[in-house]
Amino acid sequence: GAVVSQHPSRVICKSGTSVKIECRSLDFQATTMFWYRQFPKQSLMLMATSNEGSKATYEQGVEKDKFLINHASLTLSTLTVTSAHPEDSSFYICSARQWAGGAYEQYFGPGTRLTVT
Amino acid sequence: AQSVAQPEDQVNVAEGNPLTVKCTYSVSGNPYLFWYVQYPNRGLQFLLKYITGDNLVKGSYGFEAEFNKSQTSFHLKKPSALVSDSALYFCAVRDGSSNTGKLIFGQGTTLQVKP
Repeated sequence: GAVVSQHPSRVICKSGTSVKIECRSLDFQATTMFWYRQFPKQSLMLMATSNEGSKATYEQGVEKDKFLINHASLTLSTLTVTSAHPEDSSFYICSARQWAGGAYEQYFGPGTRLTVT
Repeated sequence: AQSVAQPEDQVNVAEGNPLTVKCTYSVSGNPYLFWYVQYPNRGLQFLLKYITGDNLVKGSYGFEAEFNKSQTSFHLKKPSALVSDSALYFCAVRDGSSNTGKLIFGQGTTLQVKP
């Protein structure tokens, strides 16, 4: 149980275009999902917290107009990178939160490798 | 503010030997502690967690971790390393006093197990 999927796993796009990444909780409902960004051999940086039916909460320094998050259902959150630039190239990982064993536990998706040319 | 420190960028160990990956934390409330493993170009896989109870926590793939409150540490251990354990390991902490607390990750430690 508690599987999180991401689509696509890998995407290459041209500079100036927009890219949408989907995050799905496959066997549980998640009112809260998280989006992280990871640079090579570095830790995960929390970008935003996505709440079903409401606006996402962005971390300091993350441009909300550039990284659009939509959490329209209890099993799907999307991250759209708008007007992508080469510096947006990164590994994006989502996670979904579920109450388990007396605490919230986060389950992570397999990640999406974005390359902007 | 919460923080996690993994003091070693890389740990090298021979197959069959015991391994330790270090983690220390800082949190104002109750620490909820986690270990995750990441293989190249993959997401994070949950290994184990400490919420409350026994300080020695056993997790997946033979890993265990010991919560030490006085030293604010949560080191990951395994009695006998396998080459397939080679990966990137992350320690994470959340303030258990708040259900909305964020999961904060350490910098990560690369474990290299040599045959």
